Amino acid sequence: DSGVTQTPKHLITATGQRVTLRCSPRSGDLSVYWYQQSLDQGLQFLIQYYNGEERAKGNILERFSAQQFPDLHSELNLSSLELGDSALYFCASSGRLAGAGANVLTFGAGSRLTVL
Amino acid sequence: SQQGEEDPQALSIQEGENATMNCSYKTSINNLQWYRQNSGRGLVHLILIRSNEREKHSGRLRVTLDTSKKSSSLLITASRAADTASYFCATGMYTGGFKTIFGAGTRLFVKA
Repeated sequence: DSGVTQTPKHLITATGQRVTLRCSPRSGDLSVYWYQQSLDQGLQFLIQYYNGEERAKGNILERFSAQQFPDLHSELNLSSLELGDSALYFCASSGRLAGAGANVLTFGAGSRLTVL
Repeated sequence: SQQGEEDPQALSIQEGENATMNCSYKTSINNLQWYRQNSGRGLVHLILIRSNEREKHSGRLRVTLDTSKKSSSLLITASRAADTASYFCATGMYTGGFKTIFGAGTRLFVKA
């Protein structure tokens, strides 16, 4: 157990629907990262939050949004789902924003999304 | 698009042999990391090398970094069947937040 908790583990939904993925970072970690892993695109960086604030953005679609709450848990919202959104979504956390080792990531087990 | 590209895409070796994986990247970085992923599970951090370092060791792992060539290599010595996994390089660039971008990975299979 890495200490990063992601729910749900598996999710099956239909095209056009909206889902929310949840992540609780490791105790004491203030930074949360979201990644999408699919067979054809590899591991894509979506977004990073630090202590509630968005700090770095990657290839996140406009249909996707995320936030980090005061208790540091984070949610990734995926809307108007398409077949191509089927993937493993990982959350990772780290302790600091900057400095040596700040981006050493602890990953959760992932949420597997299947869009039918 | 990916920042790092690993080579080879797949590698199959016998237990006891060394495994070498390479990573190339495109832009300036603050650091480069290697992670391991067992099938369908979360990634696990292995080692980090800073942009001003050239080589780093951790147990059976040896990482090199050549910033002039924008490349890194991961050497696993005396491999074991339990090393079978996918290995990813990840480049980190701090710009107010840390963009940590992963390559496509190398699948390593170690035959017992």
